[in-house]
Amino acid sequence: NAGVMQNPRHLVRRRGQEARLRCSPMKGHSHVYWYRQLPEEGLKFMVYLQKENIIDESGMPKERFSAEFPKEGPSILRIQQVVRGDSAAYFCASSPLSNVANYGYTFGSGTRLTVV
Amino acid sequence: TQLLEQSPQFLSIQEGENLTVYCNSSSVFSSLQWYRQEPGEGPVLLVTVVTGGEVKKLKRLTFQFGDARKDSSLHITAAQPGDTGLYLCAGRIQGAQKLVFGQGTRLTINP
Repeated sequence: NAGVMQNPRHLVRRRGQEARLRCSPMKGHSHVYWYRQLPEEGLKFMVYLQKENIIDESGMPKERFSAEFPKEGPSILRIQQVVRGDSAAYFCASSPLSNVANYGYTFGSGTRLTVV
Repeated sequence: TQLLEQSPQFLSIQEGENLTVYCNSSSVFSSLQWYRQEPGEGPVLLVTVVTGGEVKKLKRLTFQFGDARKDSSLHITAAQPGDTGLYLCAGRIQGAQKLVFGQGTRLTINP
């Protein structure tokens, strides 16, 4: 009964490199959400995806950031040409239905990205 | 602009004391949730409240959703060191799919 799996747990990238973060939702969950968290702050919404579809990307920067959730395999959050300001914890969450009112999210343990 | 304002942001009290954390907004939410987050981990769902005025209890934790569904509170009775953590409220705006989070309350219970 695996939960939401994120990898890697820690990722160090030099400025200008690409960061690729992976998220496998809970079994039976078809809705994936990505959030970013800075130290001592809450979570900021980035993007909401269903299989093969981006539903809401209103929180994702227009440049350098992209996300996908293919028919097979994990959801990927990709950050191109990383800058120091991208350093943060990135959390993925999944839910079984689009209506989270009664179900809530199940979060992964996050990927901590450090840009040096 | 923070859609959900939590207060206080930091709270440090002695074991055995009671405390209340608040989550306020000018927006109406179709539901509101509370999460607790430990260092190095993702948030874990504690409770979901849906109906205005709803009260839910989870052992020593009492959660209340405001009548107008714009605010919520978390009350902890006889706090214990194991209650230490970051408490986050999150609300779903009517008609939207995503959850928006407050900035969190960092709670420390001293033995």
